[in-house]
Amino acid sequence: EPEVTQTPSHQVTQMGQEVILRCVPISNHLYFYWYRQILGQKVEFLVSFYNNEISEKSEIFDDQFSVERPDGSNFTLKIRSTKLEDSAMYFCASSPQGGRNTEAFFGQGTRLTVV
Amino acid sequence: KNEVEQSPQNLTAQEGEFITINCSYSVGISALHWLQQHPGGGIVSLFMLSSGKKKHGRLIATINIQEKHSSLHITASHPRDSAVYICAVSTGNQFYFGTGTSLTVIP
Repeated sequence: EPEVTQTPSHQVTQMGQEVILRCVPISNHLYFYWYRQILGQKVEFLVSFYNNEISEKSEIFDDQFSVERPDGSNFTLKIRSTKLEDSAMYFCASSPQGGRNTEAFFGQGTRLTVV
Repeated sequence: KNEVEQSPQNLTAQEGEFITINCSYSVGISALHWLQQHPGGGIVSLFMLSSGKKKHGRLIATINIQEKHSSLHITASHPRDSAVYICAVSTGNQFYFGTGTSLTVIP
């Protein structure tokens, strides 16, 4: 069964460093999403991406964050200068379509620890 | 402000019990999703609903659009059902998540 894969599963980084989290969505899906879950808190929407551009983003997704689909298969989330409060589980998801009847398929997540 | 509210937050049940988790939402939605988050953190989509009822094995999900309410039922619960169950709603291209219900099923 097709699945969304994320790498790495766990990343430890120094505060101020740049990190890139990678996701390979399901191959025929068109919409891509990043979410994060700070330990003990609820999952939060970060950004949705369609047709090579951001379609929607939350207040959390500030200038420190960027997304791209560099090669038609990977979907990456970059955090330019990590802060301690960026420590969280980051989930990628993809869906075949957006809007009504959007069923999203989630990856297993990348646990980011900023020290 | 919480667009999605779940209850209960924590639930402990004996193996075999019938379990109900509730979700209420305050926004207009395209669809409602029930997700399962395993102890290791991975998220699995269980159901996507825009009306009525869906059943998959021992899991049943219902939604009442007029009342903005959904329930997830687990029949004949089993210890392997122990997980966090998350209600999420989609509005266009954005999702809002509930805080989750932590379910523990005791043998």
